Amino acid sequence: DVKVTQSSRYLVKRTGEKVFLECVQDMDHENMFWYRQDPGLGLRLIYFSYDVKMKEKGDIPEGYSVSREKKERFSLILESASTNQTSMYLCASSSRASYGYTFGSGTRLTVV
Amino acid sequence: GQQLNQSPQSMFIQEGEDVSMNCTSSSIFNTWLWYKQEPGEGPVLLIALYKAGELTSNGRLTAQFGITRKDSFLNISASIPSDVGIYFCAESSGTYKYIFGTGTRLKVLA
Repeated sequence: DVKVTQSSRYLVKRTGEKVFLECVQDMDHENMFWYRQDPGLGLRLIYFSYDVKMKEKGDIPEGYSVSREKKERFSLILESASTNQTSMYLCASSSRASYGYTFGSGTRLTVV
Repeated sequence: GQQLNQSPQSMFIQEGEDVSMNCTSSSIFNTWLWYKQEPGEGPVLLIALYKAGELTSNGRLTAQFGITRKDSFLNISASIPSDVGIYFCAESSGTYKYIFGTGTRLKVLA
């Protein structure tokens, strides 16, 4: 069964900590994405990647960075976590040959 | 960033009722997708629409790509408790990047 796996379902971190959210896909997809989901705001794109070592900013990149050293892995980094980054984070991947994304189950991050 | 207007924001319905929700945009798009997110999970693709006027069904779900290419509709017939979740529309202008609606939260009362 093809899937996108996010390393943690729940995380609690302290303000100022550096936080790593990991995402791995086993579908050999070229494209990978990080979204955050907040009530009433839907899904907002943070960063995406079309290829290894390639990244592009989405709509809300401030306070975040990403890394894609291997095709199957896309990491989201919160350089210095803040309380307004408390949210559900969703990773997704897609193929250039088909429509739509496959999403992971999400990581609910709480920054205290 | 651009977002789609999705309505209603939430719905509480009785089991067996039909459900309608829609998504509108000020721009023209090439592809409309509808996703469902169950509690504690990521969104899962339900239906994809590729051309204006297209009507596509997936079991009790029916979705349509508006003629103007600026809107889309999702209908669920004879709702059941497992239909509960958040329904998202998403669209693309032809790139690999999709824009998502704000979601419609559906609750079904048995």
